[in-house]
Amino acid sequence: KQEVTQIPAALSVPEGENLVLNCSFTDSAIYNLQWFRQDPGKGLTSLLLIQSSQREQTSGRLNASLDKSSGRSTLYIAASQPGDSATYLCAAGGAAGNKLTFGGGTRVLVKP
Amino acid sequence: DVKVTQSSRYLVKRTGEKVFLECVQDMDHENMFWYRQDPGLGLRLIYFSYDVKMKEKGDIPEGYSVSREKKERFSLILESASTNQTSMYLCASGTALTYEQYFGPGTRLTVT
Repeated sequence: KQEVTQIPAALSVPEGENLVLNCSFTDSAIYNLQWFRQDPGKGLTSLLLIQSSQREQTSGRLNASLDKSSGRSTLYIAASQPGDSATYLCAAGGAAGNKLTFGGGTRVLVKP
Repeated sequence: DVKVTQSSRYLVKRTGEKVFLECVQDMDHENMFWYRQDPGLGLRLIYFSYDVKMKEKGDIPEGYSVSREKKERFSLILESASTNQTSMYLCASGTALTYEQYFGPGTRLTVT
């Protein structure tokens, strides 16, 4: 059974610092890896999707990498801003593609 | 932009009531999902559907049923609500091509 872990559960950084968020998964037979952002009391916003054949995806200040052999994905957010404060969740898509297994999330606070 | 809407943001029901949560997507996606999110337990899949009238159990289907009569609409039904079903319920839809999932704003259900 797939297990997804995000460590640390929370982190705080000063504005302008680069953010590095980690995600690890136990079963490397994934279809894709998706990163989401969640603001308090809200739904999830899709940030990046990496297919299993890809090594990374980029969107603006966000870059996500995927290393299936080591069971890890990393989300980089460059030059963090207070508006980046949120919980970030990663989710591994099962081999059939349909089912996502979520990590517990990393709660990020960017201090002005 | 993909839009996933949920019928209510907040809902309060009494124990034993039958509860309907509705989800509508406007992107002609094949796949639709219902999750619940609880502190300390993260996001867990209740049911998903990959086509009209088709459904599959997720990780925690007990106490729930679903209905998908039209492609754009996926309903979650609590046959007899119980206090342990107090939670945030999140609906998602996704394409069968990339399996990227898009989430609605969530319904916070309280069962008293």
